[in-house]
Amino acid sequence: GENVEQHPSTLSVQEGDSAVIKCTYSDSASNYFPWYKQELGKRPQLIIDIRSNVGEKKDQRIAVTLNKTAKHFSLHITETQPEDSAVYFCAASKQGSGYSTLTFGKGTMLLVSP
Amino acid sequence: NAGVTQTPKFQVLKTGQSMTLQCAQDMNHNSMYWYRQDPGMGLRLIYYSASEGTTDKGEVPNGYNVSRLNKREFSLRLESAAPSQTSVYFCASRVSLAGVTYEQYFGPGTRLTVT
Repeated sequence: GENVEQHPSTLSVQEGDSAVIKCTYSDSASNYFPWYKQELGKRPQLIIDIRSNVGEKKDQRIAVTLNKTAKHFSLHITETQPEDSAVYFCAASKQGSGYSTLTFGKGTMLLVSP
Repeated sequence: NAGVTQTPKFQVLKTGQSMTLQCAQDMNHNSMYWYRQDPGMGLRLIYYSASEGTTDKGEVPNGYNVSRLNKREFSLRLESAAPSQTSVYFCASRVSLAGVTYEQYFGPGTRLTVT
């Protein structure tokens, strides 16, 4: 089955800096890659996703890049703010024929200091 | 529109006791999921139901059973709780059509402690 590795496990930045979280996946057939943000004591919520027919997607201060050849994708947060502090999870799944579930990475705790 | 709801929010069990975690969604989603979240382990899939009337094992199904009661409700049962089942449990749901993946929505979670 699919295996998703996520790095780093913790990331501390100063407010205004950029943050990058990286994930690798094992199944070359995976083609859907969402990112979830989980604030302390809350549920995970989707913040951005990318499908394998594009290499990059942006939404304001958040962007995701995908390298299908290397089987890795990354989350980029620019101009970080204290409210970006949370745990971020990447995931991968395979769309198309059959049914596929999401496989999650183990998460990255991002701490943004004022 | 409440989204995905779970009950209870918190539960303490003694080893060997049984309980059922309830999950319901009002978004007319066909697929529902149960995950457990442990520190440093991410979200691990316990069981899922791709559509009403079907259930399948995920990554960590041992010690659990599920019931897809109808399209809205998906319950998780612990028949004989063990301390290793101390965790936060999340239910989730999404639309799944013709192999296309749509956003997965999570419930607020149930924090379970087994002593």
